Amino acid sequence: EVQLVESGGGLVQPGGSLRLSCAASGFTFSSYWMHWVRQAPGKGLVWVSRINGAGTSTSYADSVKGRFTISRDNAKNTLYLQMNSLRAEDTAVYYCARVRYSSSPGDYWGQGTLVTVSS
Amino acid sequence: DIQMTQSPSSLSASVGDRVTITCRASQSISSDLNWYQQKPGKAPKLLSYAASSLQSGVPSRFSGSGSGTSGTDFTLTISSLQPEDFATYFCQQSYSTPQTFGQGTKVEIK
Repeated sequence: EVQLVESGGGLVQPGGSLRLSCAASGFTFSSYWMHWVRQAPGKGLVWVSRINGAGTSTSYADSVKGRFTISRDNAKNTLYLQMNSLRAEDTAVYYCARVRYSSSPGDYWGQGTLVTVSS
Repeated sequence: DIQMTQSPSSLSASVGDRVTITCRASQSISSDLNWYQQKPGKAPKLLSYAASSLQSGVPSRFSGSGSGTSGTDFTLTISSLQPEDFATYFCQQSYSTPQTFGQGTKVEIK
């Protein structure tokens, strides 16, 4: 059974840092692109970042470029999102999603982890 | 960035109704259009991908269509609305990054 479990969310002050993790199981992790998508409270879905299976190709939304870093450890079947210089507008539930090819949809999603940026 | 515009933003319907949600891309996205269903407090669930392919396990009352020659206009149809279908629906283009989403359509009980 495919499972994606996010962790690492919490309350952080503006300007602070947080690292999210997404533990994957039930599939060959290294064969899939992985994405992060976020959703501010009561709002829509916003794509954040993606990484290819080998970890050699990454992309970011302009709103997080230079502040967030996506990475993966295929030996540990884990996806990461390092978030620095956090702002109030980064407050959201962050989901990881599995994607087979670069133009494929997210066919499995984690349950999400809430990040709250507030003083 | 490619803008995705969904309509309507919300609708009220009764069980058994036929429901249609549209999604328009600001430029051609070929057939790289996906539909998701999201219920409160839950992760999005993939319903349809590549404009018209139904995800495994999704009831056949859901169908996606569109693209045609323009590659910009797409539709999600629920042929006979069921109680478990009351949710918010999002379209997403996976043609290019950033992979943008529509603003969502909330389907409520009439």
